[in-house]
Amino acid sequence: EDKVVQSPLSLVVHEGDTVTLNCSYEVTNFRSLLWYKQEKKAPTFLFMLTSSGIEKKSGRLSSILDKKELFSILNITATQTGDSAVYLCAVTTSGTYKYIFGTGTRLKVLA
Amino acid sequence: NAGVTQTPKFRILKIGQSMTLQCTQDMNHNYMYWYRQDPGMGLKLIYYSVGAGITDKGEVPNGYNVSRSTTEDFPLRLELAAPSQTSVYFCASSFPYNEQFFGPGTRLTVL
Repeated sequence: EDKVVQSPLSLVVHEGDTVTLNCSYEVTNFRSLLWYKQEKKAPTFLFMLTSSGIEKKSGRLSSILDKKELFSILNITATQTGDSAVYLCAVTTSGTYKYIFGTGTRLKVLA
Repeated sequence: NAGVTQTPKFRILKIGQSMTLQCTQDMNHNYMYWYRQDPGMGLKLIYYSVGAGITDKGEVPNGYNVSRSTTEDFPLRLELAAPSQTSVYFCASSFPYNEQFFGPGTRLTVL
């Protein structure tokens, strides 16, 4: 059965800290991995990764995929209270059109 | 572009009642999805559609029905509501394997 596991489940840090969120997957016919940020509403898109070793970056957020070891990390540097959210990881597989979501990592950034 | 819109935003149902959650997108996406999200959990796929007239079950389809008569609309029908269907429901749309765009969600309580 296809599955996506995120760790840690929750994390509390102070402003200015750097955090690393993990997403590992076991799926058949991997196609892409996506990261979303969810505050108290709908998820919003952060990154989509399809190739190993190529970092995607947006401001203080960056992400990379390792297709050999079957995981991705999301890094947030110089965290701010506005980064507090649940971060979701999803994987797509060829031929099914479904997105398999992990349960998310709940990040809380303290001022 | 309005993106993905959902109605209603909130609803309280009594056990055994039925209702339809509406979802509309204006991005000409062929792919549309319904998810439910229980407190502290990730997104679970209820049904999805790859085009008008084509729907398929996700992980948790029991107690729900869908139809897709147009590219834009993908309503979700709850028959005989049960307390276990208390959740937040998100509709999403996308091009294949790409970023999903989410609606604002419907918070449903069944008492």
